[in-house]
Amino acid sequence: NAGVMQNPRHLVRRRGQEARLRCSPMKGHSHVYWYRQLPEEGLKFMVYLQKENIIDESGMPKERFSAEFPKEGPSILRIQQVVRGDSAAYFCASSRDRNTEAFFGQGTRLTVV
Amino acid sequence: GESVGLHLPTLSVQEGDNSIINCAYSNSASDYFIWYKQESGKGPQFIIDIRSNMDKRQGQRVTVLLNKTVKHLSLQIAATQPGDSAVYFCAEHTGQGAQKLVFGQGTRLTINP
Repeated sequence: NAGVMQNPRHLVRRRGQEARLRCSPMKGHSHVYWYRQLPEEGLKFMVYLQKENIIDESGMPKERFSAEFPKEGPSILRIQQVVRGDSAAYFCASSRDRNTEAFFGQGTRLTVV
Repeated sequence: GESVGLHLPTLSVQEGDNSIINCAYSNSASDYFIWYKQESGKGPQFIIDIRSNMDKRQGQRVTVLLNKTVKHLSLQIAATQPGDSAVYFCAEHTGQGAQKLVFGQGTRLTINP
């Protein structure tokens, strides 16, 4: 049973470009969380999704950021018109239900140049 | 801001000694807690969890204690090994409304030979 898969592992974008980060949850998991982590800091919640629904997006910046978890395929975190401040590690986690173990992927490290 | 905090940002212990990592939380409605271990360049790894109806839970070499009276959580690692070197995060699940895991800043555990 494969774990949470994120790709790409590393992503370099120029300022103004778009970044698309993908997350495939563990088999049987329908709950997905996205977090952002700056160096030497904790993980900051961004968004929580269930299949086709956004449950909680209280941590998402109001502009340029969006997330989806379609019926088929991975969850996507999309950042439009990236700026240097978007450089960070973005982690995805999945769980079978709410209030059960959430398992993390290895993250995507986004660098904006 | 985040409701989960840690007493100590760094902890150094001798190999073979026991380690205790502490965490304070402020949301009395939180009903589920998880400890994660994060090694450099990797995603957080689930260690152990505990629900609010328990005050202690044991795993392999690890024990989590929950004191709801003072809103305090601790992770005890027995016979610390070099492979235990990592940053440890506690996370709380508020369980009401907002469906998210809130992370603390983390404690870096280093093992002295």
